[in-house]
Amino acid sequence: AQSVAQPEDQVNVAEGNPLTVKCTYSVSGNPYLFWYVQYPNRGLQFLLKYITGDNLVKGSYGFEAEFNKSQTSFHLKKPSALVSDSALYFCAVRGPNQGGKLIFGQGTELSVKP
Amino acid sequence: DSGVTQTPKHLITATGQRVTLRCSPRSGDLSVYWYQQSLDQGLQFLIQYYNGEERAKGNILERFSAQQFPDLHSELNLSSLELGDSALYFCASSPRYRDEQFFGPGTRLTVL
Repeated sequence: AQSVAQPEDQVNVAEGNPLTVKCTYSVSGNPYLFWYVQYPNRGLQFLLKYITGDNLVKGSYGFEAEFNKSQTSFHLKKPSALVSDSALYFCAVRGPNQGGKLIFGQGTELSVKP
Repeated sequence: DSGVTQTPKHLITATGQRVTLRCSPRSGDLSVYWYQQSLDQGLQFLIQYYNGEERAKGNILERFSAQQFPDLHSELNLSSLELGDSALYFCASSPRYRDEQFFGPGTRLTVL
């Protein structure tokens, strides 16, 4: 069965510092991996995806993620956090032959303080 | 704005009732997905339609059903509502040959 784990419910970072939001996954076969962000009272916004190719994926708003097959991880990173990055972040996985079904992690609340 | 629209934004109803949630995908997107977001279950995939046909199914209750119409809009029908059905219901769409899904703003359902 496919699953996604986001081990941290909350991540606190000072503005200007680098941030990492962790994600590990379990899937049979090659994974399709995604990061989404949710602002209060809004829908999810797509940030980036990994399908194949370079393990470092760049996305929207300066975010990037590193795919690590041996550790089955797909951590979200940003070199310099902004207060406006404060939001709820979701990692998601899609396995092969699953149509478009996304399995989401429980989400990580990112708080960036000035 | 993702281009996916959902109506209504809020819905308050009583146990045992039936409601219909509506979704209009982005122009040209053939796939529509429904998700449920609740505090205890998180974000759960319910069902996917592609060009009118069911493509994938998640843990969707038998009391719930969905369909996609020829104009590609979709409806999610929830019947015999229970308190536990209170949640945010999201619709998403994706274009052909793209993997990312674009989410609508959601419908917040409150069952009293």
